[in-house]
Amino acid sequence: GAVVSQHPSWVICKSGTSVKIECRSLDFQATTMFWYRQFPKQSLMLMATSNEGSKATYEQGVEKDKFLINHASLTLSTLTVTSAHPEDSSFYICSASVGVSVGDEQFFGPGTRLTVL
Amino acid sequence: DAKTTQPPSMDCAEGRAANLPCNHSTISGNEYVYWYRQIHSQGPQYIIHGLKNNETNEMASLIITEDRKSSTLILPHATLRDTAVYYCIVRVDWGNQFYFGTGTSLTVIP
Repeated sequence: GAVVSQHPSWVICKSGTSVKIECRSLDFQATTMFWYRQFPKQSLMLMATSNEGSKATYEQGVEKDKFLINHASLTLSTLTVTSAHPEDSSFYICSASVGVSVGDEQFFGPGTRLTVL
Repeated sequence: DAKTTQPPSMDCAEGRAANLPCNHSTISGNEYVYWYRQIHSQGPQYIIHGLKNNETNEMASLIITEDRKSSTLILPHATLRDTAVYYCIVRVDWGNQFYFGTGTSLTVIP
């Protein structure tokens, strides 16, 4: 099956700093990538949809200026958490879709655990 | 918003079939039902998906009712490694997004 990687797998940072998380599709070209956030013992919450070469579409309640998404190529999307605070501590997961059809699978990355001190 | 409801937890004896139900009564005609599972602190793993017909692969079977308002994921011979949270997702047809519900926490008991 298709493989999606994330880097780093975990990161600890100080409050007020910015953190960049990378999501790569290793063996396929991803037209669309998605970013999710998951708090402990909760389900995944979709944050934004990212299409290569265009601006990301953010879900209601997600601050686009705080969570900057760049999808510069068909194999790489990045999520930057700007001016991170302890409440941003979470498990961030990306996924990538091979195509734009509703029947196309989404392949998920292993996740990045962010801890803000 | 999630369009599915699932029981919060289930137990299954090792070696027996695990049947995980999902209700999606508001599903529309061209929306697919997807199943993923998530083992603690990992990304979700794809299991199976379907539109109208029953589907089977090496991991599981998916049974969709004729009116498409509910479905059942069947793990034919559950093992301890199948202990995970199982998510039933209706994929919206206007943007391909997945909106996860609360899922079912399956515990396989030795």
